[in-house]
Amino acid sequence: DAGVIQSPRHEVTEMGQEVTLRCKPISGHNSLFWYRQTMMRGLELLIYFNNNVPIDDSGMPEDRFSAKMPNASFSTLKIQPSEPRDSAVYFCASCGTTYNEQFFGPGTRLTVL
Amino acid sequence: SQKIEQNSEALNIQEGKTATLTCNYTNYSPAYLQWYRQDPGRGPVFLLLIRENEKEKRKERLKVTFDTTLKQSLFHITASQPADSATYLCALDFSGGGADGLTFGKGTHLIIQP
Repeated sequence: DAGVIQSPRHEVTEMGQEVTLRCKPISGHNSLFWYRQTMMRGLELLIYFNNNVPIDDSGMPEDRFSAKMPNASFSTLKIQPSEPRDSAVYFCASCGTTYNEQFFGPGTRLTVL
Repeated sequence: SQKIEQNSEALNIQEGKTATLTCNYTNYSPAYLQWYRQDPGRGPVFLLLIRENEKEKRKERLKVTFDTTLKQSLFHITASQPADSATYLCALDFSGGGADGLTFGKGTHLIIQP
């Protein structure tokens, strides 16, 4: 298995632009998580899905952030409009076991100028 | 809200010695506590999980303890090697067996010096 796949790996954009991050979870995993990592705040949970349904989006910082999971093999995290403070590494993780061992993707490093 | 504290300063250990990392948390006790390793430019990698009713868990050179009274977990790497150098993250899991988002500490940067 290729593991969790994220794209793009790096994204540089200007303030105000729309950014879409993509994630393909491990096949067979039915839970998907989006996290954000910064030096100041560490790794924070943004939102997670079980069986493609959003369960908890309380970590989404603002209405500018939205996430979808149209099917079991694909999820997107969208930021519109982006702001410099959104600059961070965004990780997607998936989980398929009862005991919640999570498998992380390589992350997308987002820089908003 | 839940807080997790890990040593924010880097931990320098001589090769061959045992490295001990600390994770303290406040408020509610998790159903599980997990430890992850993160290398620069990569995503965290799962290492060990320990349940609230377990005192200790081992995996090769790794050992985790979990004291729900002290609200603390200790993570030990015995016979440490330079390849063990990385950031180690503690994560709280309240899922009780289902899948749930994790609450992570900021991690401790471990440096094993040859």
